Amino acid sequence: GNSVTQMEGPVTLSEEAFLTINCTYTATGYPSLFWYVQYPGEGLQLLLKATKADDKGSNKGFEATYRKETTSFHLEKGSVQVSDSAVYFCALRPNAGGTSYGKLTFGQGTILTVHP
Amino acid sequence: DGGITQSPKYLFRKEGQNVTLSCEQNLNHDAMYWYRQDPGQGLRLIYYSQIVNDFQKGDIAEGYSVSREKKESFPLTVTSAQKNPTAFYLCASSIRALVQETQYFGPGTRLLVL
Repeated sequence: GNSVTQMEGPVTLSEEAFLTINCTYTATGYPSLFWYVQYPGEGLQLLLKATKADDKGSNKGFEATYRKETTSFHLEKGSVQVSDSAVYFCALRPNAGGTSYGKLTFGQGTILTVHP
Repeated sequence: DGGITQSPKYLFRKEGQNVTLSCEQNLNHDAMYWYRQDPGQGLRLIYYSQIVNDFQKGDIAEGYSVSREKKESFPLTVTSAQKNPTAFYLCASSIRALVQETQYFGPGTRLLVL
């Protein structure tokens, strides 16, 4: 079946540090890949996505590249801010084609804390 | 403003009681979903609905029930058969249940057992 594995957290960084959160997946075919962010006490917000191999999703200084050869979708940001402190979820959605439903499969989440 | 609203923000359940969580969207989305989030785990799908008057079980449907009588509403009932209901419940919607459609999430309801 489909699965998503994220790096173990929590991750603690100082402001302006470089961030990488690893995400690898197992799926057949070419799934769509997503990063969602959850701020304390809130629901999930879509951060970025990529729908095919070698696509790069980017938003708010975050970026992730769809790597089919390594089945990875690592999240990066060059300079984190205190306001980036949140839980980050990697997810995949199989591309079954047509109008059939594609279930989102989530990783377990990675807690990021950024200190001033 | 378009969006997804969930109520209440916190809900308390007594032993043997059924409780209903509300989810409303004004995005004109056809598809709606309910997820459960436990600490240190990803989200797990409870039920989803692709269209009015239709819904399907997700991965952990036991002890839950839903209805979809209106396009904008998808309430979730946590029944007394759900033995471990304490969790954070998230509702989501998408334009259609197509594989390329982005899901948008509500703010969540935290359910606690007294």
